[in-house]
Amino acid sequence: DVKVTQSSRYLVKRTGEKVFLECVQDMDHENMFWYRQDPGLGLRLIYFSYDVKMKEKGDIPEGYSVSREKKERFSLILESASTNQTSMYLCATAGLGRKQETQYFGPGTRLLVL
Amino acid sequence: SQKIEQNSEALNIQEGKTATLTCNYTNYSPAYLQWYRQDPGRGPVFLLLIRENEKEKRKERLKVTFDTTLKQSLFHITASQPADSATYLCALLPSGGSYIPTFGRGTSLIVHP
Repeated sequence: DVKVTQSSRYLVKRTGEKVFLECVQDMDHENMFWYRQDPGLGLRLIYFSYDVKMKEKGDIPEGYSVSREKKERFSLILESASTNQTSMYLCATAGLGRKQETQYFGPGTRLLVL
Repeated sequence: SQKIEQNSEALNIQEGKTATLTCNYTNYSPAYLQWYRQDPGRGPVFLLLIRENEKEKRKERLKVTFDTTLKQSLFHITASQPADSATYLCALLPSGGSYIPTFGRGTSLIVHP
């Protein structure tokens, strides 16, 4: 079974703080994704990575950056947290070829920015 | 622009009945359509995938149909149980090799005992 873990389930930060969210997967998947999920807006893609050190912007990258130094680890960074970044953050992974057809999600991190 | 529509209102049904959820899309030609289940406070879990050349797919009590003419997918849960209560998301994947899904907002299903 694919296991995708996220560093925190709940996080409270102050405006202006730098925030790191980490995602680790144990299935040797090439593709990793960061989404945020807000009521009424659904899942929106922030960034994704198809290989180590590679990254691509998703639909809403502003205010975020990512890092993929190792294949199993994909970090989302909020350079200067703002209240409008309060959200549920979900990491997902997918393999190559036909395995890309299925995404495996982590449990999510609920971030509150005060 | 691309649009995926799922009923925003919760679907309430009685245990034992068949639940049917709808996913409509516009300005999109998906190669694949997926359905996920999401429980409160948890990440989505993949349930089923159907390809554009498939009309129907089944897995245990689940059935998915895909009508590319109507631009619609129906997701059925037969003999529904209270444990099936969750939010169900549809997601579309484009043709052309990009496996980046676009998700609908989900429909909440509540199965009453």
